[in-house]
Amino acid sequence: EAQVTQNPRYLITVTGKKLTVTCSQNMNHEYMSWYRQDPGLGLRQIYYSMNVEVTDKGDVPEGYKVSRKEKRNFPLILESPSPNQTSLYFCASSLYGGQGSNQPQHFGDGTRLSIL
Amino acid sequence: GNSVTQMEGPVTLSEEAFLTINCTYTATGYPSLFWYVQYPGEGLQLLLKATKADDKGSNKGFEATYRKETTSFHLEKGSVQVSDSAVYFCALMNFNKFYFGSGTKLNVKP
Repeated sequence: EAQVTQNPRYLITVTGKKLTVTCSQNMNHEYMSWYRQDPGLGLRQIYYSMNVEVTDKGDVPEGYKVSRKEKRNFPLILESPSPNQTSLYFCASSLYGGQGSNQPQHFGDGTRLSIL
Repeated sequence: GNSVTQMEGPVTLSEEAFLTINCTYTATGYPSLFWYVQYPGEGLQLLLKATKADDKGSNKGFEATYRKETTSFHLEKGSVQVSDSAVYFCALMNFNKFYFGSGTKLNVKP
């Protein structure tokens, strides 16, 4: 089954304790992306990757890191989490990105992070 | 810059009523436009898309037309069902980045 898998689904942690949210897709997609969803703000893009070893900042990259060493995986790293990073996070992938692309994004089921 | 503005919800309709959710955008160049739907506890799913002016996207009875002159991409459905209750997001993709509206919650009552 074609899917985007995020782990963990839920995490409660404390300020400053490094954490990683994993994202994996099995569709051989080139484009992958991370979003955070906050009430009243919709989804905001954190980072995206056009392909292996190619990553770039989205709208709200501060406090986050990503890597794309393999095509299928795109982990999100919070090196020193703070309470304002408490949010619902989604990973997504599409066949390819680029201007004019109409490829649909496939979303994971989300990761709810609480930073105390 | 790039941004998407949607009408605030929630929108409450009776079954078989006509639906319009307004979406306007700001962008340079020629963005692609999308509507996504989110059911409770799930990720977003693509509902429909359009990549150039005057394109009409359609799916499951929903329609939206890319209007460059009014920078709009309003979502419409002629007859909603209870199963259409969800949150709807308008989005644009420009220069490899995605921008989403704040979402509009739709409640359809039997």
